[in-house]
Amino acid sequence: GAVVSQHPSWVICKSGTSVKIECRSLDFQATTMFWYRQFPKQSLMLMATSNEGSKATYEQGVEKDKFLINHASLTLSTLTVTSAHPEDSSFYICSAPVGGTGNEQFFGPGTRLTVL
Amino acid sequence: QKEVEQNSGPLSVPEGAIASLNCTYSDRGSQSFFWYRQYSGKSPELIMFIYSNGDKEDGRFTAQLNKASQYVSLLIRDSQPSDSATYLCAVPGGSYIPTFGRGTSLIVHP
Repeated sequence: GAVVSQHPSWVICKSGTSVKIECRSLDFQATTMFWYRQFPKQSLMLMATSNEGSKATYEQGVEKDKFLINHASLTLSTLTVTSAHPEDSSFYICSAPVGGTGNEQFFGPGTRLTVL
Repeated sequence: QKEVEQNSGPLSVPEGAIASLNCTYSDRGSQSFFWYRQYSGKSPELIMFIYSNGDKEDGRFTAQLNKASQYVSLLIRDSQPSDSATYLCAVPGGSYIPTFGRGTSLIVHP
């Protein structure tokens, strides 16, 4: 099956620093990837749609200047949390649609971000 | 805007029982439906999908779809403690973007 990886799996950083999270499709090409955020005991919240070769599409309420997304190749999308603050601490998950219908989502393992 | 509703639970069932998880959706035009399982601290994994009205069985899992009533359910037979997780219902939308329900927490106790 399709495999999506994320790196790092967890990161702890100081307030004010920037953190980059990578999402890779290992055995398929993904022109589209999705970035989600999940707070404890809450559902997935779609942050943005990452499009290869073009600008990301952000969901309402998500600051595009704070959450920088770059989809430079067909197998890699990156999310950079700039000037991170404790309220940005969350579980960040990427996914890519795969399959004939394009509707099945394969998720990366997630990145646990803790901002001190 | 598409809406997907799930009871957050928790749903608690004894080991060996049938767990029934339900999901309702707002968009009558929705054609496909997905169930994901998410263990605590992990990302979701796909366990079932269904496109047609009726039942679809895969091992201990059965998905049931009723488009007229706009609900989709997931039955887990012979529930095991390892089935304890949050189950997310998802309905794909335009540009492959799915809408997820808030998820139902299932607890299977020995």
